[in-house]
Amino acid sequence: DQQVKQNSPSLSVQEGRISILNCDYTNSMFDYFLWYKKYPAEGPTFLISISSIKDKNEDGRFTVFLNKSAKHLSLHIVPSQPGDSAVYFCAASVGGADGLTFGKGTHLIIQP
Amino acid sequence: GAVVSQHPSWVICKSGTSVKIECRSLDFQATTMFWYRQFPKQSLMLMATSNEGSKATYEQGVEKDKFLINHASLTLSTLTVTSAHPEDSSFYICSAFGTSETQYFGPGTRLLVL
Repeated sequence: DQQVKQNSPSLSVQEGRISILNCDYTNSMFDYFLWYKKYPAEGPTFLISISSIKDKNEDGRFTVFLNKSAKHLSLHIVPSQPGDSAVYFCAASVGGADGLTFGKGTHLIIQP
Repeated sequence: GAVVSQHPSWVICKSGTSVKIECRSLDFQATTMFWYRQFPKQSLMLMATSNEGSKATYEQGVEKDKFLINHASLTLSTLTVTSAHPEDSSFYICSAFGTSETQYFGPGTRLLVL
């Protein structure tokens, strides 16, 4: 049973527009959430994180929103750039110091 | 900062041999390191948690005698795939706990067992 779900395997967005990637989780014990960007045959690169005590965290073009009641988080990238094309993984943990549970990823394609 | 390296980046071996993969935190000390595995078109799956100076904790379904983990220092953890078989072929990735409750990942090791 998948505890972290990314229901969109792929997403295509025009350059300059906003990209919104979604993630749902089922384990109510998760209290720390992260987004990673990954290219094939490379390790994930950390983008942004959020603790369950917050509902929003922003870092440059990246903003993560957390809706605990809906067990849903989203990553907003604005404006989207060609270099943003990659697979984005949502991950969650209990307490922030545990191993991560990953979603299956969303392949973001930024079109010129 | 928060750079994690892995060696080797890829390895091809014969069935039945053992392969050791090293994970190093280059610019910080990591009391905890994690090992993940990713099969093609699948997500990353946590295999084990490695704590410096103590035995690793394995996730359900991961054979501890097959995947030997040693965390000898605050900057080095090793994963040894013993008696490797073709079904062990995968992408193995380590991560190390940096500051701010963030895990930083290594570049991964592609293992192909013939």
